[in-house]
Amino acid sequence: DTAVSQTPKYLVTQMGNDKSIKCEQNLGHDTMYWYKQDSKKFLKIMFSYNNKELIINETVPNRFSPKSPDKAHLNLHINSLELGDSAVYFCASSQDWYEQYFGPGTRLTVT
Amino acid sequence: LAKTTQPISMDSYEGQEVNITCSHNNIATNDYITWYQQFPSQGPRFIIQGYKTKVTNEVASLFIPADRKSSTLSLPRVSLSDTAVYYCLVGEGYFNKFYFGSGTKLNVKP
Repeated sequence: DTAVSQTPKYLVTQMGNDKSIKCEQNLGHDTMYWYKQDSKKFLKIMFSYNNKELIINETVPNRFSPKSPDKAHLNLHINSLELGDSAVYFCASSQDWYEQYFGPGTRLTVT
Repeated sequence: LAKTTQPISMDSYEGQEVNITCSHNNIATNDYITWYQQFPSQGPRFIIQGYKTKVTNEVASLFIPADRKSSTLSLPRVSLSDTAVYYCLVGEGYFNKFYFGSGTKLNVKP
């Protein structure tokens, strides 16, 4: 059983489109995260939800909107995609704040 | 937000012990030190966490001196499968914004 799953694994789209990435965890964790890893491999936190409540909202464009329908799911919707949004997006979850379980990542390519 | 400094890369051979040092000069009193491992095309994986002195688990050991301004991740008898990027992070609590930095790329050679 996959602990943290993301769909899709690959996403190729054109500038200006709107896309969503879905994340699900079956670990029963209360906290979920979205991270962005750019081409230089820097991994930056974007958002964090604890029991469906937004607790970390880093300085990201408001074109990025997370949604947590329940504590097992955290989706990321991106409007008006730009070339600079190309990256690998990781979802993670944790029960203890320091031990985060990461999903396999979604490689987003904007052309 | 305490930032960390690590070597960009390290080379080792199979069977050797590898020590990766991380500098975190402005670590706060409540901050813990956490290490993650990331293989290519995978998400990071938690390795170990500590606050002071020494912590050991089945994967690695973490050495933290008394001033806590640095820490050393020790991997005993590495194998080719330990080739990965290792990240050192400091912080505490759910409101902590984990800063992964650039990590240390460990290359284990046969």
